[in-house]
Amino acid sequence: GQQVMQIPQYQHVQEGEDFTTYCNSSTTLSNIQWYKQRPGGHPVFLIQLVKSGEVKKQKRLTFQFGEAKKNSSLHITATQTTDVGTYFCALPTGTASKLTFGTGTRLQVTL
Amino acid sequence: DTGVSQDPRHKITKRGQNVTFRCDPISEHNRLYWYRQTLGQGPEFLTYFQNEAQLEKSRLLSDRFSAERPKGSFSTLEIQRTEQGDSAMYLCASSPYISRSGANVLTFGAGSRLTVL
Repeated sequence: GQQVMQIPQYQHVQEGEDFTTYCNSSTTLSNIQWYKQRPGGHPVFLIQLVKSGEVKKQKRLTFQFGEAKKNSSLHITATQTTDVGTYFCALPTGTASKLTFGTGTRLQVTL
Repeated sequence: DTGVSQDPRHKITKRGQNVTFRCDPISEHNRLYWYRQTLGQGPEFLTYFQNEAQLEKSRLLSDRFSAERPKGSFSTLEIQRTEQGDSAMYLCASSPYISRSGANVLTFGAGSRLTVL
């Protein structure tokens, strides 16, 4: 089946430092989504990427879809404590009617 | 409509008992999904409905698990003869149906946390 690896599993940064998480698929993707889950919360949709090489920005967050559509990254510039949580990539699988979630990257930000 | 609602939020039960969770999706969403999440892991797909039809079930869903969406609105997930390994957060999500290849964007509920003693 489809394998969805995210690295790193965990990262601890000081506020103001940058952060990047990577998502790698064993297959070519039609699209990819990113979700954020705060501690004790539920996953919340952030963005969807569709085109090869696509780059989208949301304030301090930059999302990129690889040229081969097999990987994606999420970069946060100048992290804040509000960025704390686990970031998941999610890939359409099977008939594309369901999403398979990555293993997640847990981000901890301290002052 | 304030989003996806799940009930109960927490359930503690003894091994061997049956439990049922309810999910009320966003009213205009005709797709409804159940996921299971254990500590430190990503959500794992269990099953999904389009309207009242259950279109796919994961192999994770043993015969002790059953899900229904009788009128295409709310859904229930029942676990019979619970085992300690069933302890997890059960997440419900809904999405509008997209007819082309674009993936569905999921709106999750707050989840129902199950603890089996």
